[in-house]
Amino acid sequence: AQSVAQPEDQVNVAEGNPLTVKCTYSVSGNPYLFWYVQYPNRGLQFLLKYITGDNLVKGSYGFEAEFNKSQTSFHLKKPSALVSDSALYFCAVRDPGGGADGLTFGKGTHLIIQP
Amino acid sequence: DAGVIQSPRHEVTEMGQEVTLRCKPISGHNSLFWYRQTMMRGLELLIYFNNNVPIDDSGMPEDRFSAKMPNASFSTLKIQPSEPRDSAVYFCASSVRGRIAEAFFGQGTRLTVV
Repeated sequence: AQSVAQPEDQVNVAEGNPLTVKCTYSVSGNPYLFWYVQYPNRGLQFLLKYITGDNLVKGSYGFEAEFNKSQTSFHLKKPSALVSDSALYFCAVRDPGGGADGLTFGKGTHLIIQP
Repeated sequence: DAGVIQSPRHEVTEMGQEVTLRCKPISGHNSLFWYRQTMMRGLELLIYFNNNVPIDDSGMPEDRFSAKMPNASFSTLKIQPSEPRDSAVYFCASSVRGRIAEAFFGQGTRLTVV
């Protein structure tokens, strides 16, 4: 079975500093990985995905993520945080080899950017 | 495109009542997913459809839950009878068919069962 772990419930970063939101995964083969963001009282918005190819994936709002197969990780990063980046972030995985088409989500990480 | 549209946005009902949540996916998308979000359990996949056909309903918690997709532009999730533990935010999402495709989420329906 596939699973995702987001080890931090909350990450606090000062505005202008780089940010990292951690994600590790477990699947039987090569994973398809996704990041979503959720603002209060809103649905999830897609940020970026890794399917294959370059391990560094660039997405919306200046975010990027690095796929590391040996560490089974897919951490979300941004070079310079904005207060408006404060939200709930979800990592998700889909096993390309079979199983359900639906995404399996982590528990989410609250990102708080302090002015 | 207006995105995935869910209705109602908020629903408050009494225990034992029937509740129907509605979803209109993005035009051209042929996969549709229903998720439930709670503080305790996070985001859980309840059921998904490909080309209007239910593929996997193993996430549906009980027989009280049922979902239908009568056509490509409409789906419902029904709870009958509702219980307080069903209180959650229910999301509908749609995508093009294919495992590399990202899903697009609606705004959700916040259900409160009292």
